[in-house]
Amino acid sequence: GAVVSQHPSRVICKSGTSVKIECRSLDFQATTMFWYRQFPKQSLMLMATSNEGSKATYEQGVEKDKFLINHASLTLSTLTVTSAHPEDSSFYICSAQGGQGADNEQFFGPGTRLTVL
Amino acid sequence: AQRVTQPEKLLSVFKGAPVELKCNYSYSGSPELFWYVQYSRQRLQLLLRHISRESIKGFTADLNKGETSFHLKKPFAQEEDSAMYYCALVTSNTGKLIFGQGTTLQVKP
Repeated sequence: GAVVSQHPSRVICKSGTSVKIECRSLDFQATTMFWYRQFPKQSLMLMATSNEGSKATYEQGVEKDKFLINHASLTLSTLTVTSAHPEDSSFYICSAQGGQGADNEQFFGPGTRLTVL
Repeated sequence: AQRVTQPEKLLSVFKGAPVELKCNYSYSGSPELFWYVQYSRQRLQLLLRHISRESIKGFTADLNKGETSFHLKKPFAQEEDSAMYYCALVTSNTGKLIFGQGTTLQVKP
């Protein structure tokens, strides 16, 4: 149990276009979902915290108009990178909290590799 | 400020040797600490958490509040332990994880 999926696993897009990444909890209801960004050989940096039905809470320095987060249901959160530029190229990882996990345990998705040309 | 520090980017040991991956934290409240592992081409997964006091795959970690440390140890490293290891702290009021920089463990045959 406690499986989190992400789609797509990798995406290549042109500069200026928008890209949507989906994060789904497959076998549990996620009260909270988190979005991280990971640069090569670096740690995960939290971008935002998302609760179902409410606005996401963004970390300092993360542009909310650039990285749109929607958490429409207890099993789905989406991250849209708007007007993507090459500097947005990165590995984006989501996690979900809830289900059988103990309090505060997060279950991670496999990540999405975004390349902006 | 809340911070997790893993001083070693890379730790290389031979199979059978003891391993200790260091983690220090800075947190004003009562900390809840985790070790996550990321094997090559796999997702991040929980290895262990301090409140459960369990041993997973031979790894243990003890919270030392005096030294603000949560080092990960294994007496005899195996090649399959080669991976990236992240120490993380969760903030009690938000549930957010703060990750250390990560340590790559390389176990040589």
